[in-house]
Amino acid sequence: GENVEQHPSTLSVQEGDSAVIKCTYSDSASNYFPWYKQELGKGPQLIIDIRSNVGEKKDQRIAVTLNKTAKHFSLHITETQPEDSAVYFCAARKGASGGSYIPTFGRGTSLIVHP
Amino acid sequence: DADVTQTPRNRITKTGKRIMLECSQTKGHDRMYWYRQDPGLGLRLIYYSFDVKDINKGEISDGYSVSRQAQAKFSLSLESAIPNQTALYFCATSDPGTGGRNEQFFGPGTRLTVL
Repeated sequence: GENVEQHPSTLSVQEGDSAVIKCTYSDSASNYFPWYKQELGKGPQLIIDIRSNVGEKKDQRIAVTLNKTAKHFSLHITETQPEDSAVYFCAARKGASGGSYIPTFGRGTSLIVHP
Repeated sequence: DADVTQTPRNRITKTGKRIMLECSQTKGHDRMYWYRQDPGLGLRLIYYSFDVKDINKGEISDGYSVSRQAQAKFSLSLESAIPNQTALYFCATSDPGTGGRNEQFFGPGTRLTVL
């Protein structure tokens, strides 16, 4: 099955700095890569995603990049703010024929933004 | 946002006890999931159900069972709880929708401690 590796496990930055979280996946059939944010005491929530036919996607201060050849994808957060502090999960998922659209999650990155 | 609710939110129990965690949703989704979150291990799938008559094992189903009582209700049971089942448990729902995004909508979680 799919294996998703996520690094780093903890990331500490100063407010205003950029943060980058990296993930690799093992199954070349995976074609959809969502990112979830889990705030303290809450369940994870989808914040951005990217499909395999796109190399980069941006939404305000966050962006995701995908390198299909290397099988890795990254989350970039610019101008970090204290409210960005959370646990971030990457995931990879195949289409219906390969896995019924169920994502495989990475182990999570705890991002701490210091004021 | 109370679209996915979980009860109880916290539970402390003893080894050998039977425990049931309940999940209800008002999103009208057919698909429901149970995940377990442990520090450093991310989100791991325990069981999932694509409709009322469909139950499937995830990657870590041993020691757990589920019941899909209705489209809106999905319960997770620990027949005889053991300490290494101490974890944060999340229920989630999804609707594959057009294009198969299958965004996971998570509940607030149940923190279970087995002594």
